[in-house]
Amino acid sequence: DGGITQSPKYLFRKEGQNVTLSCEQNLNHDAMYWYRQDPGQGLRLIYYSQIVNDFQKGDIAEGYSVSREKKESFPLTVTSAQKNPTAFYLCASTQQGQGVAKNIQYFGAGTRLSVL
Amino acid sequence: AQKITQTQPGMFVQEKEAVTLDCTYDTSDQSYGLFWYKQPSSGEMIFLIYQGSYDEQNATEGRYSLNFQKARKSANLVISASQLGDSAMYFCAMRAGGYNKLIFGAGTRLAVHP
Repeated sequence: DGGITQSPKYLFRKEGQNVTLSCEQNLNHDAMYWYRQDPGQGLRLIYYSQIVNDFQKGDIAEGYSVSREKKESFPLTVTSAQKNPTAFYLCASTQQGQGVAKNIQYFGAGTRLSVL
Repeated sequence: AQKITQTQPGMFVQEKEAVTLDCTYDTSDQSYGLFWYKQPSSGEMIFLIYQGSYDEQNATEGRYSLNFQKARKSANLVISASQLGDSAMYFCAMRAGGYNKLIFGAGTRLAVHP
């Protein structure tokens, strides 16, 4: 089945540690996105990528890094510079182009990150 | 500034009744899209319905319909014949500007009572 797979489902980070969240899609989508969700709030955009080897900062990129070496994969690293990393992280992807009017973003099941 | 506002933190509805979840938006773009997503307790975001700014008809998808009032900048979600499985968080989102970026509202928690 086509979809977006995020792993792990739960992740714990120690002080000063970098951790990497995985996001893989087999939908052949061009664009991929990372969002952060804090309790009781909506989603905020961290990073996005429209094509391989290219990505842009979203609204809250500080303390995060990404790579896009393959079309299917868009991993997110939460660095030690992110002082408040506890949150729910969601990855999304979409096909895009002029003929794709809706450009619906489809989401993975998320990764819940906590600080030890 | 581009913004989505959902003014109802929580809503209750009786099973089989209809419910309206409010969403207002602010954008200076002429071309934009409006989305509704459902987030059950498991956390995944499930796409429900889409309305384009140039669409003349209100969007419908099964029991979901979008009441789009462009002049008022509102895009309310109507769920007809509520079911217990509809209990979840509901988010309104807008695509505006470039790169298909979405701006989300704070969400409305819907509880369906038997």
